[in-house]
Amino acid sequence: GESVGLHLPTLSVQEGDNSIINCAYSNSASDYFIWYKQESGKGPQFIIDIRSNMDKRQGQRVTVLLNKTVKHLSLQIAATQPGDSAVYFCAENAGGSQGNLIFGKGTKLSVKP
Amino acid sequence: DTEVTQTPKHLVMGMTNKKSLKCEQHMGHRAMYWYKQKAKKPPELMFVYSYEKLSINESVPSRFSPECPNSSLLNLHLHALQPEDSALYLCASSQESGYTEAFFGQGTRLTVV
Repeated sequence: GESVGLHLPTLSVQEGDNSIINCAYSNSASDYFIWYKQESGKGPQFIIDIRSNMDKRQGQRVTVLLNKTVKHLSLQIAATQPGDSAVYFCAENAGGSQGNLIFGKGTKLSVKP
Repeated sequence: DTEVTQTPKHLVMGMTNKKSLKCEQHMGHRAMYWYKQKAKKPPELMFVYSYEKLSINESVPSRFSPECPNSSLLNLHLHALQPEDSALYLCASSQESGYTEAFFGQGTRLTVV
């Protein structure tokens, strides 16, 4: 079936650098997307979301970009810190108001001090 | 209170046992979810409750039985599980189903022996 996937399973960056985590989705009907951060032994933590009527949204140190033409989502983290080390998942809502939130494969971000 | 509380944190059960996982939120959210997460994999949606009614069942085997006694509580009843059902079971809630961020609990680490 259709699924959300990621280009890179692991990403290693130097502390202070910017990080970019990518996500490709295949369900053209998806109209709401969320980025989650999951640290070891914890549940996923909401980072930022975006609706399909937007192509960019900014939060604190994070920016999400949505390119509906190529079905691509990215998460940019500015000035990456050791505390940002985690697995990052993009998730898409493919079910409208039903809440069918489907997660992508995940990218493990490692920040080197 | 922005927490989703899951109990127990860890559970070991035999294949003939009956056990229940519990989830509680006091944020006034009207949608609640069960996800299953295997090691190094993304969370997989199992069930969605919206306004205390089951709205999505992702073809989950009947040995998993969800229950939503009221708007704050969500249970997952387990019976005759298999070792391959061992996983992290995550509960989440959101204001409504569909277009709002879902808050996750820390999960119950289930081991079936």
